[in-house]
Amino acid sequence: KAGVTQTPRYLIKTRGQQVTLSCSPISGHRSVSWYQQTPGQGLQFLFEYFSETQRNKGNFPGRFSGRQFSNSRSEMNVSTLELGDSALYLCASSLAPGGWEAFFGQGTRLTVV
Amino acid sequence: TQLLEQSPQFLSIQEGENLTVYCNSSSVFSSLQWYRQEPGEGPVLLVTVVTGGEVKKLKRLTFQFGDARKDSSLHITAAQPGDTGLYLCAGAQGAQKLVFGQGTRLTINP
Repeated sequence: KAGVTQTPRYLIKTRGQQVTLSCSPISGHRSVSWYQQTPGQGLQFLFEYFSETQRNKGNFPGRFSGRQFSNSRSEMNVSTLELGDSALYLCASSLAPGGWEAFFGQGTRLTVV
Repeated sequence: TQLLEQSPQFLSIQEGENLTVYCNSSSVFSSLQWYRQEPGEGPVLLVTVVTGGEVKKLKRLTFQFGDARKDSSLHITAAQPGDTGLYLCAGAQGAQKLVFGQGTRLTINP
C-alpha cells in the first residue's frame, strides 16, 4: 500500500512569489492535515480537510490556504512568500477526521530567498 | 498554549544505556501517539495508546499511557545508534486536531 506522497520534495522561491504544494494521501484515507515544521517552533498545525471540507484551521495568516479534491488529494498554497515561511511542510493522512492515527509524507522543504 | 510538554528536550547518551522520555499534559486525551522523525523526513508513527494504564512494547521500546490519560512515557532499553532521532508525542481529543509536543531530540553515541 503506497504511503503519503508529497510533491515537490524541495522548492526554492523568492520573496513575494506564491507556491503550491501537493499531497496524495494513502488510498482510502479521506482526512488530510498540513503542518509547518521549523527548528524553533516545532510542528505547527495549518489546517485539516475531510471530504473536501476544511474542518480545522490553525493560527496562520490568510496567505496560507488549502483545498481538497474529490479524490482526497490536497493542495496548500502560500501567497506573497516571506523569508519566515521557509520550513518543512508536512502532510498527514488519516482514515478519520480529527486526531486519529496520522501517517506523514516525507515533506516539502521550502526555502524562501 | 502548548498542551503537551515533552522532557527532556535533548538527550545524548552512550550506546547500551537505557532512557525514558516523558510527555505530560493537564488535558485528557482519547489517545496518544508516538512518532520518530529523522532529519529531512516526515514523522513515522511508532505506536498508538488508547486505554489508561496501557503498556505497549515494540522490541526495545516500551510505551505507557497514564492511568488518567494525561501523560505518557517512552522507555528505550539498550539504546542503539539507530534509535537516534526526534521523538514526538501527539494527543488526540476526539474529533479535534492532533496536538503535538515539541519533541525530544535523542542522540545515541557509539
